[in-house]
Amino acid sequence: GQNIDQPTEMTATEGAIVQINCTYQTSGFNGLFWYQQHAGEAPTFLSYNVLDGLEEKGRFSSFLSRSKGYSYLLLKELQMKDSASYLCAADSGGYQKVTFGIGTKLQVIP
Amino acid sequence: DADVTQTPRNRITKTGKRIMLECSQTKGHDRMYWYRQDPGLGLRLIYYSFDVKDINKGEISDGYSVSRQAQAKFSLSLESAIPNQTALYFCATSDSLGAGATDTQYFGPGTRLTVL
Repeated sequence: GQNIDQPTEMTATEGAIVQINCTYQTSGFNGLFWYQQHAGEAPTFLSYNVLDGLEEKGRFSSFLSRSKGYSYLLLKELQMKDSASYLCAADSGGYQKVTFGIGTKLQVIP
Repeated sequence: DADVTQTPRNRITKTGKRIMLECSQTKGHDRMYWYRQDPGLGLRLIYYSFDVKDINKGEISDGYSVSRQAQAKFSLSLESAIPNQTALYFCATSDSLGAGATDTQYFGPGTRLTVL
């Protein structure tokens, strides 16, 4: 089966750095997605990691360790608009493809 | 214009009524999905379609049916709505065929359904 774990909630201060962790157990693995979802809105794609290591995209970076079944999303220079849920999703490569975690609700405070 | 659209955006209905949620996309993607999202449970897959002739049940298909009328249209039906189907429903598309396709999913704006 598929299992995705990530913290339910986190709080961080504007201007700071926050790391959101995700662990996964899947039968088969192609890669790991991160999506951002503001309250009441659709999830939007942030990143997709296939290889081990850190990929940087502006203020957001995503890391993957395939051997450990672990990923994290790193948000730098936090802004109030970064308050949202961040969904980790594993691409299992199987027929059903992608399994989503429940999401981490990040609150950025002044 | 939005690439993935859903209608209606909000719907309140009564137990036992038949409801259809519609999804259209202009992205030219072959794959389409229906999810529901509930607080504390995340996104759960209801049905997915990899092309017009391919329909598959997801994790929670009981009580739902779908129709893929064309590559661009995928509708979700609740034959007899019940209160525990109250949720936020998302349609999504992905591209398995394009060069470098990673199956990234692109979501519609969602339909908030309330069953009384």
